[in-house]
Order: sequence, then structure tokens, then C-alpha cells
Amino acid sequence: EVQLVQSGAEVKKPGDSLRISCKASGYLFHTYWIGWVRQVPGKGLQWMGIIYPGDSETRYSPSHQGQVTISVDRSISTAYLQWTSLRASDTAIYYCARHICPYGDDCYGDYWGPGSLVTVSS
Amino acid sequence: SYDLTQPPSVSVSPGQTASITCSGDALPRRLVYWYQQKPGQAPLLVMYKDTERPSGIPERFSGSDSGTTVTMTISGVQADDEADYYCQSSDISGKNVLFGGGTRLTVL
Repeated sequence: EVQLVQSGAEVKKPGDSLRISCKASGYLFHTYWIGWVRQVPGKGLQWMGIIYPGDSETRYSPSHQGQVTISVDRSISTAYLQWTSLRASDTAIYYCARHICPYGDDCYGDYWGPGSLVTVSS
Repeated sequence: SYDLTQPPSVSVSPGQTASITCSGDALPRRLVYWYQQKPGQAPLLVMYKDTERPSGIPERFSGSDSGTTVTMTISGVQADDEADYYCQSSDISGKNVLFGGGTRLTVL
């Protein structure tokens, strides 16, 4: 059974750094893309980016390129989303999702984690 | 920038058919996916590659495409289908993934 277990809720101040995690199980971690989707409470979904654990190829949405870093630790089947300097506008729920990319493109999330709420407030 | 357009809301009575559209200029050349999201829950994939249903998704859910508009249809709508539905696709390059704004399905 595919499972994605995400780290818990975080409360941070503007300017803080943060790394949230997503531990995968039930499948060969290095053979599927895994990525992150953002949702401000009450708003829509925003795709942030994905990484292929097999070779660490990473794709970011244009709006998130340079704002966050997506990484993996293959030894523990875990993906990460990292900020170096949080802003209040980063307050959102962050979902990790296993992705499939048919033909190399047109990627989609077939299994999703429960989400991690990040609150950034002074 | 490229956008996917969905109606903000659709309302139907139980047993009727709900159609939710997703429009975008690149859709004739890109695949579309649909997710269902209920309050407090993560999104759930309900349609992939335009018309395919994942295991466990009822046959009531179906997909079709017509040029720049793709439609997900829910036949015989049930109260449990009440949720937000998001389409997802990519821009013309296939590399940049994006979601539509979402459609709230209300079962009257």
C-alpha cells in the first residue's frame, strides 16, 4: 500500500528557515517522481515542483523557482521542501504527492499525503 | 501566463448529471487530470489521461474532451460527490504543471 507520511504543523516567524518532509513507503521510491502542491486555506491548488529520486532531476513551477528547494534522501525514502527565509505569504497547507509523468511530461499526482500546515506570522 | 478555466460552481440535484468543464488553449495537445477534494482532506485523483478512471473510482465518473475544453461528467450524482473538483494539465511545453481554479459541486 502506497503511503505518504508528512511532518507535522509548523508555526514560524517571517525570515525563519524551514524544511518539511514526506516519507514514502509501499513502492520503489527512486522510480517515481515526487513533488509538492500548495493550498492556501480556502483557496485553490498550486503546483510547486517535483523531483525524480533516481537522478535528482528537479522541475519547479516558474512562480516557485528560486523560492523553495525540493530535495530527497533516497536512503530513507523521504522528500523535502525547504525555505531559507519564510514570508507571511508562505502560510499554506503543503501536500506531497507521488507523481507519474506519462511520456516524460504531463505529470500528475496519483497518491497524496495528508498535508502539512505551515503558518508564518510575527 | 497560461491558465486553465473552470466554472466556480455547479449545482445539481441527487440523481442528476453534473458536468464540470476545464478550458485551456493547450488542452488539445496535453493530457488532463481531475481531482476531488472534500473539506479537510487531501485531493483524490478521480480521472487521469483525460478519460481513465483510477481503481476504486465509480463508473459514474467519466471524462471527455473536445478541443480546448475537457469535461468531467458525474452521472447519477450522490450526496457524497459534493466536493471541490480541480482539473490539472500542463502548458504547451508539457513541463509546467498547473491546476484550474476549482469547481465547487453542490448537491441540492
